[in-house]
Amino acid sequence: DVKVTQSSRYLVKRTGEKVFLECVQDMDHENMFWYRQDPGLGLRLIYFSYDVKMKEKGDIPEGYSVSREKKERFSLILESASTNQTSMYLCASSFFRGNNEQFFGPGTRLTVL
Amino acid sequence: KNQVEQSPQSLIILEGKNCTLQCNYTVSPFSNLRWYKQDTGRGPVSLTIMTFSENTKSNGRYTATLDADTKQSSLHITASQLSDSASYICVVRGSTLGRLYFGRGTQLTVWP
Repeated sequence: DVKVTQSSRYLVKRTGEKVFLECVQDMDHENMFWYRQDPGLGLRLIYFSYDVKMKEKGDIPEGYSVSREKKERFSLILESASTNQTSMYLCASSFFRGNNEQFFGPGTRLTVL
Repeated sequence: KNQVEQSPQSLIILEGKNCTLQCNYTVSPFSNLRWYKQDTGRGPVSLTIMTFSENTKSNGRYTATLDADTKQSSLHITASQLSDSASYICVVRGSTLGRLYFGRGTQLTVWP
């Protein structure tokens, strides 16, 4: 059974803080993704990675960075959190080949005050 | 511009009734289309995947259809249950670089 876990379900941070969101998958997937989900906007891709130490910008990378030091772990970093980064953050993973079904984690609801 | 549009934005039905959700897309070239169900407070979970050559696919009470010519898909839910209350997201995969395009979802509420 595929499992994607995220380090926190709820997180409250202050403006200007550095924030780390961690994601771990246990299916040996090559691809990992970070999305944010906002009401009325759906899921938007922030960054993705198709291999260790590789990263690619998605549609809305501004204000974010990522790190993938190990295959199973993909971290999203907010260098200086701002109130407009208050959102639900979803991590996903998939195999590089095949039908590319993405398996999602439960999400982290981040509030920046 | 590659887009995925879902309708309606929200829907309320009574338990036991059927409903149909719509997804129109302009993604080209097209690889596959997937419907996800997202329960409140959880990540999306795949319900069905359809490729270019498939017209209909069922998963229990969920039946997805695809018309690749008109670039339309629907998700039909039969004999709805309270547990069907969720957001249903249509995701289209383009065959160029495998890019995914997400619809904004339809929020379904099933009332007893």
